[in-house]
Amino acid sequence: DTGVSQDPRHKITKRGQNVTFRCDPISEHNRLYWYRQTLGQGPEFLTYFQNEAQLEKSRLLSDRFSAERPKGSFSTLEIQRTEQGDSAMYLCASSLGIWDFHNEQFFGPGTRLTVL
Amino acid sequence: AQSVTQLGSHVSVSEGALVLLRCNYSSSVPPYLFWYVQYPNQGLQLLLKYTSAATLVKGINGFEAEFKKSETSFHLTKPSAHMSDAAEYFCAVSPRSNFGNEKLTFGTGTRLTIIP
Repeated sequence: DTGVSQDPRHKITKRGQNVTFRCDPISEHNRLYWYRQTLGQGPEFLTYFQNEAQLEKSRLLSDRFSAERPKGSFSTLEIQRTEQGDSAMYLCASSLGIWDFHNEQFFGPGTRLTVL
Repeated sequence: AQSVTQLGSHVSVSEGALVLLRCNYSSSVPPYLFWYVQYPNQGLQLLLKYTSAATLVKGINGFEAEFKKSETSFHLTKPSAHMSDAAEYFCAVSPRSNFGNEKLTFGTGTRLTIIP
């Protein structure tokens, strides 16, 4: 199966620590999205990459958050000085943006972050 | 800004009964609309999407949804519920964006329980 993969699947950390998540999109997908899903809520958009360029960031993405997509392949999401409010499921999705109508996003299984 | 509202955070139906999950959207122009399903500890899977072709959209697993512009609705239905349909369902909206950011805005979700 060559779907979207995310690592790790679960992360428990103490408040104030830094964490980094990785997303491997479907091969050749040029678009990559990060979403955050808190308990009882739907996913919320965080940021979007077209190839290696980060083209949009949500206001939800504070200065403690940084995302990269070097060489337009895998992506990393880093959270510095974690807070308990950062506890959530972090979802990655990728799509092949070649059509002028909606290009389906394929989601990974997510990384569940718990900040103690 | 676009948004979706899902009426009913929990819906229970008997096995074999009709499934109806409600979604209303808010958008200044007709958007793209989606229904996703999320099983425990898994990522989101696309059930179906409306991109302005037929207003009645058929998806996977026997689900369908009808786009009604006059009611700004996109309700999800299935004639006969199966135990395997128990999951969380999300309605989502995306802007019409040629070769741009197709970020999804999700509703808060509806948890579907199937009663044997």
